Amino acid sequence: EAGVVQSPRYKIIEKKQPVAFWCNPISGHNTLYWYLQNLGQGPELLIRYENEEAVDDSQLPKDRFSAERLKGVDSTLKIQPAELGDSAVYLCASSRRGVNEQYFGPGTRLTVT
Amino acid sequence: KQEVTQIPAALSVPEGENLVLNCSFTDSAIYNLQWFRQDPGKGLTSLLLIQSSQREQTSGRLNASLDKSSGRSTLYIAASQPGDSATYLCAVNSNRDDKIIFGKGTRLHILP
Repeated sequence: EAGVVQSPRYKIIEKKQPVAFWCNPISGHNTLYWYLQNLGQGPELLIRYENEEAVDDSQLPKDRFSAERLKGVDSTLKIQPAELGDSAVYLCASSRRGVNEQYFGPGTRLTVT
Repeated sequence: KQEVTQIPAALSVPEGENLVLNCSFTDSAIYNLQWFRQDPGKGLTSLLLIQSSQREQTSGRLNASLDKSSGRSTLYIAASQPGDSATYLCAVNSNRDDKIIFGKGTRLHILP
């Protein structure tokens, strides 16, 4: 089966600009996660979806970050406006409900200048 | 609040040796624990998932154990190879608050 797909793989933007990341999970996976990973750190959860419902967005900085998962399949994570401290790798993962074994995409490396 | 610690942060061993990576967690109320490897500039690859009711899981040269009562998991790698060089992360899925918490990982370097 195809894995989790993310695009773009790399993005360089100037601060205060908007940016969006896209994720297509593994077919049949109800649960979708967005993580942020800083260098030398483990991933930190930003938001978790069960189908189209955001069930945990407690770590999402809602003043500048937003996410959506229309139709419960693909998802988009947006930052507006981006800050220098947002430079990191943004990872998307998916799993089947009840199994919780996560499968990760390759990530998007964001550099804010 | 669940905390996950991985020690050591980095490890270098000669090729062919067996090795153990450690993961500890503070709250034993977990659904499962998952081990991943991450190569530089890549996403995470799932290695093993241990459910809370299980004691260990094996896949090829890898064996992961879980001791919930002591809040510890180990990943055993047999007959290490240079291709095993990567960062290994553990993630704990807590059932108290339904959150998944990652450790910072252990950077493993296998010396040819």
